[in-house]
Amino acid sequence: GAVVSQHPSWVICKSGTSVKIECRSLDFQATTMFWYRQFPKQSLMLMATSNEGSKATYEQGVEKDKFLINHASLTLSTLTVTSAHPEDSSFYICSAKVRNNQPQHFGDGTRLSIL
Amino acid sequence: QKEVEQDPGPLSVPEGAIVSLNCTYSNSAFQYFMWYRQYSRKGPELLMYTYSSGNKEDGRFTAQVDKSSKYISLFIRDSQPSDSATYLCAMSSNSGGSNYKLTFGKGTLLTVNP
Repeated sequence: GAVVSQHPSWVICKSGTSVKIECRSLDFQATTMFWYRQFPKQSLMLMATSNEGSKATYEQGVEKDKFLINHASLTLSTLTVTSAHPEDSSFYICSAKVRNNQPQHFGDGTRLSIL
Repeated sequence: QKEVEQDPGPLSVPEGAIVSLNCTYSNSAFQYFMWYRQYSRKGPELLMYTYSSGNKEDGRFTAQVDKSSKYISLFIRDSQPSDSATYLCAMSSNSGGSNYKLTFGKGTLLTVNP
């Protein structure tokens, strides 16, 4: 149980384009979903927290207009990287949990490469 | 001082060895403690989740939490090459508006040699 699916797993695109990443909880309804970014050989850095039907809460230093998060249902959250540039290239990982005091379950990540 | 300290390793052991991974923390408000395993180019996989001080066992894995010393451990018995991965400790609380956000250690890179 507690499976989180993330799509796509790898995307390469040109500078200036927008990229959408989907995160789905397959066998549970997630009250909260999270988006992380991970650089090579580093730990996960939280970008934002999203609750179904409400606006996402972004961490300090994360540009809201660049990283658009939509949490339309209890099983789906999307992250759109707008006007992507090479410095946005990274490994993006989502997670979801059922209740506040329950652990987060992670997707397999999306490797984003901007040329 | 960082909130969560974890030795990044790398740690290399022979197959069958007992592996001990540790984290220390400074925030006494942390209530929930997790260990995740992350293979290269994959998302973290939840291994253990504990709330109180003491031991929790699941197969070859044992998690220990000592809140008085602010110290958590993960033991892996009979380690296998398939255990080779990065192990991340994580902890959370609901105090100070943190809303159960996870604070991670840096991760320990483990290699189990056949």
